[in-house]
Amino acid sequence: QVPLVESGGGVVRPGTSLRLSCAASIFTFSNYAMHWVRQAPGKGLEWVAIISHDGSDKYYADSVKGRFTISRDNSKNTLYLQMDSLRVEDTAVYFCARNDYQFRMGHDALDIWGQGTRVSVSS
Amino acid sequence: EIVLTQSPDFQSVTPKEKVTITCRASQSIDNKLHWYQQKPDQSPKLLIKYASQSLSGVPSRFSGSGSGTDFTLTINSLEAEDAATYYCHQSSSLPQTFGQGTKVEIK
Repeated sequence: QVPLVESGGGVVRPGTSLRLSCAASIFTFSNYAMHWVRQAPGKGLEWVAIISHDGSDKYYADSVKGRFTISRDNSKNTLYLQMDSLRVEDTAVYFCARNDYQFRMGHDALDIWGQGTRVSVSS
Repeated sequence: EIVLTQSPDFQSVTPKEKVTITCRASQSIDNKLHWYQQKPDQSPKLLIKYASQSLSGVPSRFSGSGSGTDFTLTINSLEAEDAATYYCHQSSSLPQTFGQGTKVEIK
């Protein structure tokens, strides 16, 4: 089994919405904070957002604040990224990643990564 | 926001050579600096955490050092399979940030 599997990517128009999912398995999902990280074509990694293990705390990069919403459903072992008002510059592969230590909000490495899901925003 | 600057951006290296990649933070981040390896069309892989902590399953030729603002990733005796882009990442404060990456090519 693969620990993290993203889905939901696709080709969309600017101004529209998309919801990404990240299904977790093998580990106790509800014990770990989770991250979204993206990578534009041919570019480096950009941290996007973090959510605490219980969903009570969230933080976003300035580039997505007010447009993207990170959430989780621990009963379904699934992380989400709701992306609204999409822009051309949001085109990227989106990775979900696990925070290294249990019950901590950030301050740690990202030890498990999904394979990524591709989002293309184009008119 | 803490800015991480890696150098060099690109390095072409002969097998068995030693590789040194540096990462400089715009302010002190203690030891909350981590290194990742990313090969083409793959997701990043954690190599070193907290500046110098090695990880199970990562070859011993990879090592890290530094604290505060200056950090180094060293690859001793480079192997062909080490061709990849390497990124540093800080988790000292939010938003977390990554360096721009260093591409290592095998001559």
